[in-house]
Amino acid sequence: GQNIDQPTEMTATEGAIVQINCTYQTSGFNGLFWYQQHAGEAPTFLSYNVLDGLEEKGRFSSFLSRSKGYSYLLLKELQMKDSASYLCAVRGSYNTDKLIFGTGTRLQVFP
Amino acid sequence: DAGVIQSPRHEVTEMGQEVTLRCKPISGHDYLFWYRQTMMRGLELLIYFNNNVPIDDSGMPEDRFSAKMPNASFSTLKIQPSEPRDSAVYFCASTPPGTGELFFGEGSRLTVL
Repeated sequence: GQNIDQPTEMTATEGAIVQINCTYQTSGFNGLFWYQQHAGEAPTFLSYNVLDGLEEKGRFSSFLSRSKGYSYLLLKELQMKDSASYLCAVRGSYNTDKLIFGTGTRLQVFP
Repeated sequence: DAGVIQSPRHEVTEMGQEVTLRCKPISGHDYLFWYRQTMMRGLELLIYFNNNVPIDDSGMPEDRFSAKMPNASFSTLKIQPSEPRDSAVYFCASTPPGTGELFFGEGSRLTVL
């Protein structure tokens, strides 16, 4: 079966750093994605990891450990506009583009 | 490019009515996905196509749901008859060859009374 777990909600303060964790159990693995979704809008792509390690992109970084079935999204210098849901998604096989999503982590940033 | 285009953006209908949702993927993208999003279950994959061919429809809830992709620029998701539990936001997404990065449409918010 396929299982992707994320915390349901998190809160943080403007300017701070927050880490959103994701653990997964899938039949096969061919990449992990993070998407951002503001309320009432469509998800938008943030990052992609297929090898172990850290991928940095501006204020956002994403980490992957395939042996542990674990990823995190790190958001630095938080801004109010970062208040959104963050979705972890796993592509579970080499011969498919099928992406399975976790239920998402709703992040609220306070001033 | 205009991005993935979905219609209608909002639909309110009564139980038992037929609902048809439409999607135009980004030109050149070879995969098309239909997802459903609810608060309780998050984003659920319903069905996806590769080069207009349905590849995996295991996420389609039941026979009331059907999807077609008659050509590379158009897909429909049909619910007949609709039920209140079908109320959700339905997203269409497409991916370019080789990347796996999903480009989502704005979604169709369906309310079945």
